[in-house]
Amino acid sequence: NAGVTQTPKFQVLKTGQSMTLQCAQDMNHNSMYWYRQDPGMGLRLIYYSASEGTTDKGEVPNGYNVSRLNKREFSLRLESAAPSQTSVYFCASSEGAGVNSPLHFGNGTRLTVT
Amino acid sequence: AQSVTQLGSHVSVSEGALVLLRCNYSSSVPPYLFWYVQYPNQGLQLLLKYTTGATLVKGINGFEAEFKKSETSFHLTKPSAHMSDAAEYFCAVPGMNTGFQKLVFGTGTRLLVSP
Repeated sequence: NAGVTQTPKFQVLKTGQSMTLQCAQDMNHNSMYWYRQDPGMGLRLIYYSASEGTTDKGEVPNGYNVSRLNKREFSLRLESAAPSQTSVYFCASSEGAGVNSPLHFGNGTRLTVT
Repeated sequence: AQSVTQLGSHVSVSEGALVLLRCNYSSSVPPYLFWYVQYPNQGLQLLLKYTTGATLVKGINGFEAEFKKSETSFHLTKPSAHMSDAAEYFCAVPGMNTGFQKLVFGTGTRLLVSP
């Protein structure tokens, strides 16, 4: 039972390059999320998808786009990477969209932008 | 105002000692409170949650937390620390800046356990 799977695990980009972070869940969850984790700042929500076919901005959406490809997959795209986007990115899913529905996290993608 | 505050970015205890990690939340936050744990190079895992019912909540690995509305606190405790408890712990609550629709996380407390 894989849970939430993220690829790649590590990535180094040069400023201005683009890339897509992939996320897939096998728990038949309706909602999916992208967070970034920075030292001393906890986790901050970038984008989320309450259900298949919908996406919404979180706290820090600037510089990112997302696609809810189907119920299982939710990708995060950086069109033109900047050093400020150096971070660890986590994908999560939950059965429901409400705050009482626990989040299940992947193991993260560590991104460095030089 | 912050929705959630974790006091102490690092807490050090000896193996066998009491663990106390502090979490305070804004009084305007609806009472859906979570603790997550992050082991090195892994994602976060749910440790315990309070949504309704008994205010003392038991979680995995011997941890528990008490919802105290009068103190707006949800501190995490464990009577006796084990080396395997060394990790980073995050408190999470519905965020004011999300209209209380999405969780926001505290800045985390790293627990260090010495032999």
